[in-house]
Amino acid sequence: NAGVTQTPKFRILKIGQSMTLQCAQDMNHNYMYWYRQDPGMGLKLIYYSVGAGITDKGEVPNGYNVSRSTTEYFPLRLELAAPSQTSVYFCASRLAGGRGELFFGEGSRLTVL
Amino acid sequence: DQQVKQNSPSLSVQEGRISILNCDYTNSMFDYFLWYKKYPAEGPTFLISISSIKDKNEDGRFTVFLNKSAKHLSLHIVPSQPGDSAVYFCAASGSNDYKLSFGAGTTVTVRA
Repeated sequence: NAGVTQTPKFRILKIGQSMTLQCAQDMNHNYMYWYRQDPGMGLKLIYYSVGAGITDKGEVPNGYNVSRSTTEYFPLRLELAAPSQTSVYFCASRLAGGRGELFFGEGSRLTVL
Repeated sequence: DQQVKQNSPSLSVQEGRISILNCDYTNSMFDYFLWYKKYPAEGPTFLISISSIKDKNEDGRFTVFLNKSAKHLSLHIVPSQPGDSAVYFCAASGSNDYKLSFGAGTTVTVRA
């Protein structure tokens, strides 16, 4: 029962570096999401996708990019990392239709120095 | 603009007593509400939900109450147990909305 798998779990980046956070789900969920959690700020939506080839911006998309070439994978790309991107990132997925709950990965803690 | 608000960052309760967590929302288009629970170093997990056509939903020790006129919902945990110590997030969505809006979370500590 893998569910939603995120890698890496921890990463330290220098300012200006780039990296990709990986997310994979094995539940055949159409909808996938990337959230970031900052202390006292709850979960903010970065990007989401309702199916392969379809992505859209959330509340805080600046500095990030996504792609969704298959149902299973939804990587999040950080270009030119900045200290403001220090956060915990969560990938989530859910079934299409209805009001099903989100299934979250364990999170990726990113520090930009 | 925070559409879902949890104004109490923390709550401390004695084991066996009731925990009451509150959540307010501003978007009148929201019609489905969820609570998630999060332990440290883990992702949030779904706890309980309620549709706007109901005013109460119960699942074991957890009950969610919805007051649409006040745009307010609450989560009751009775009795509180040490394993309930976690961060609780309130979330909401509207019809035909793919996204959930989350509150800032309330950290619950259950004292023995």
